[in-house]
Amino acid sequence: GDSVTQMEGPVTLSEEAFLTINCTYTATGYPSLFWYVQYPGEGLQLLLKATKADDKGSNKGFEATYRKETTSFHLEKGSVQVSDSAVYFCALSDQRIRDDKIIFGKGTRLHILP
Amino acid sequence: KAGVTQTPRYLIKTRGQQVTLSCSPISGHRSVSWYQQTPGQGLQFLFEYFSETQRNKGNFPGRFSGRQFSNSRSEMNVSTLELGDSALYLCASSLETSGVAKNIQYFGAGTRLSVL
Repeated sequence: GDSVTQMEGPVTLSEEAFLTINCTYTATGYPSLFWYVQYPGEGLQLLLKATKADDKGSNKGFEATYRKETTSFHLEKGSVQVSDSAVYFCALSDQRIRDDKIIFGKGTRLHILP
Repeated sequence: KAGVTQTPRYLIKTRGQQVTLSCSPISGHRSVSWYQQTPGQGLQFLFEYFSETQRNKGNFPGRFSGRQFSNSRSEMNVSTLELGDSALYLCASSLETSGVAKNIQYFGAGTRLSVL
């Protein structure tokens, strides 16, 4: 079945460092891909999405490009801030499948040091 | 517009008891999904409801059940609690039931259940 694999955390970086969180997926169809973020004490919220190959999703300085050839959707940010400390979830869903559900990776915890 | 509201925020129960958690979706959202989040297993899908009908179900035992009311509010129930049921239970609502918009889910802050 469909699945999502994320790099294990925690990831610890200094403020203003470059961030990459790796995400690869397995899907038989043509999934849409998502990154969700969970700040401490809160639920998840959508960070960005991409619905087809070569699409780039972006929001709040974060970017991810849908790479069909490498089945990847890596999350990047050029200069992280302390306020980016959170857990990041990669997810997929294939809207072509009836009654599909969204499948989440296990999450990557990010710590940003001032 | 109010977000997704889950009550209670924290709950402590003992083994063998049962518990009911409540979720009020964003106004106008008709799809409600439930997830269990634990450090070891991550985020696991429990079930999804739309128009008072269960549309999708994850791989959880029958002790976990849910329902949705005509106003789209949803409850989940766990009977005969086990220690391993300790987790953060998240509810999410979405506007549509198909297409990309279906999976733009809006999450509540969750109910943290501790089973002693």
